Amino acid sequence: KQEVTQIPAALSVPEGENLVLNCSFTDSAIYNLQWFRQDPGKGLTSLLLIQSSQREQTSGRLNASLDKSSGRSTLYIAASQPGDSATYLCAVSPANNDMRFGAGTRLTVKP
Amino acid sequence: ETGVTQSPTHLIKTRGQQVTLRCSSQSGHNTVSWYQQALGQGPQFIFQYYREEENGRGNFPPRFSGLQFPNYSSELNVNALELDDSALYLCASSLAERGSTDTQYFGPGTRLTVL
Repeated sequence: KQEVTQIPAALSVPEGENLVLNCSFTDSAIYNLQWFRQDPGKGLTSLLLIQSSQREQTSGRLNASLDKSSGRSTLYIAASQPGDSATYLCAVSPANNDMRFGAGTRLTVKP
Repeated sequence: ETGVTQSPTHLIKTRGQQVTLRCSSQSGHNTVSWYQQALGQGPQFIFQYYREEENGRGNFPPRFSGLQFPNYSSELNVNALELDDSALYLCASSLAERGSTDTQYFGPGTRLTVL
């Protein structure tokens, strides 16, 4: 059974800092891995999608890496801003018709 | 904005009642998935529909059922509500065809409270 773990559960940093969020999964047989952002009480916004054949994806200040063999992914956020404050979720697709989510990392960026 | 809408925004029901939640996907998105997100947890996969047929199901009992319509709308029905059904229910649509994967676009969710 695929288990997804995110560390840390919560993170508080001063504005401008670079930070790394971690995601690990137990079964390396995945189709893709996706990082999402969720604001309180809201739906999910897709940030980056990494196919199983890819090693990383970049969008603006965000960079996500994927190491399937070790079951790990990281989300790197450069020059953090207060507007980045949210919960960040990673999800893996062990098959083509579902996603398994971690519990998320709650990020607070202080001005 | 993801182009995916859900209704209602909030809903309060009592134990034993039935509820129908609705989702409207982007035009052309033949795949829709439903998720349950308890407070402080990640979403859990309920089921997925592709072109109006169920295309996979998570570990949820049969009292959770769904429908998908040709106009890219879908429904999640829950019978015999239990207190533990209180959660945020999310739908997500994608362009993925059967056997493939693609970015999923989530709606804002419906907050269901069961008293």
